[in-house]
Amino acid sequence: AQTVTQSQPEMSVQEAETVTLSCTYDTSESDYYLFWYKQPPSRQMILVIRQEAYKQQNATENRFSVNFQKAAKSFSLKISDSQLGDAAMYFCAYDPGYALNFGKGTSLLVTP
Amino acid sequence: KAGVTQTPRYLIKTRGQQVTLSCSPISGHRSVSWYQQTPGQGLQFLFEYFSETQRNKGNFPGRFSGRQFSNSRSEMNVSTLELGDSALYLCASSFGQGANYGYTFGSGTRLTVV
Repeated sequence: AQTVTQSQPEMSVQEAETVTLSCTYDTSESDYYLFWYKQPPSRQMILVIRQEAYKQQNATENRFSVNFQKAAKSFSLKISDSQLGDAAMYFCAYDPGYALNFGKGTSLLVTP
Repeated sequence: KAGVTQTPRYLIKTRGQQVTLSCSPISGHRSVSWYQQTPGQGLQFLFEYFSETQRNKGNFPGRFSGRQFSNSRSEMNVSTLELGDSALYLCASSFGQGANYGYTFGSGTRLTVV
């Protein structure tokens, strides 16, 4: 079974600073997808960024970027120029192509 | 384009009862999957439907079932409710392939079993 581990239950960052959330996963597959989702207090799951495993290039979406290390099975999320609206639970998820396997989440606090 | 619609938003049921939750995917999305979110277990995959067929299933007891209709709308049913079934149930519709592949989630149904 695939497992996803987020080792940081909580993280804190100051507004305008940069923070990195960690994620590791376990799989024997070579082709899969990885996602970061954000869940604010409204409970709505919002897609932050996606990475296809066969692509070497790290995905970026505006202030969000990932560091994808396939051999190490690591998929960290970097948030640059943090904003108050970034405060939320962040979930890392592994997808073999038909279902999301989520980590336990990292609660991100953004301080002014 | 309308998002993923889940109804109802909130439900309170008594132990032993059954419940049906509904999910309407984004127009054109044919795959619908369901997830249970609890403080203890986190987010867990229940099942996935594509073109009215259950393609994949998570590790949940048979009390949890679902179906998908020809218009891609999906329902999830839980029979003989237990206190531990209290959770946020999220539905997601998936789209595309390759660079366009991903999931869009509904706002969820909060089920409380008393």
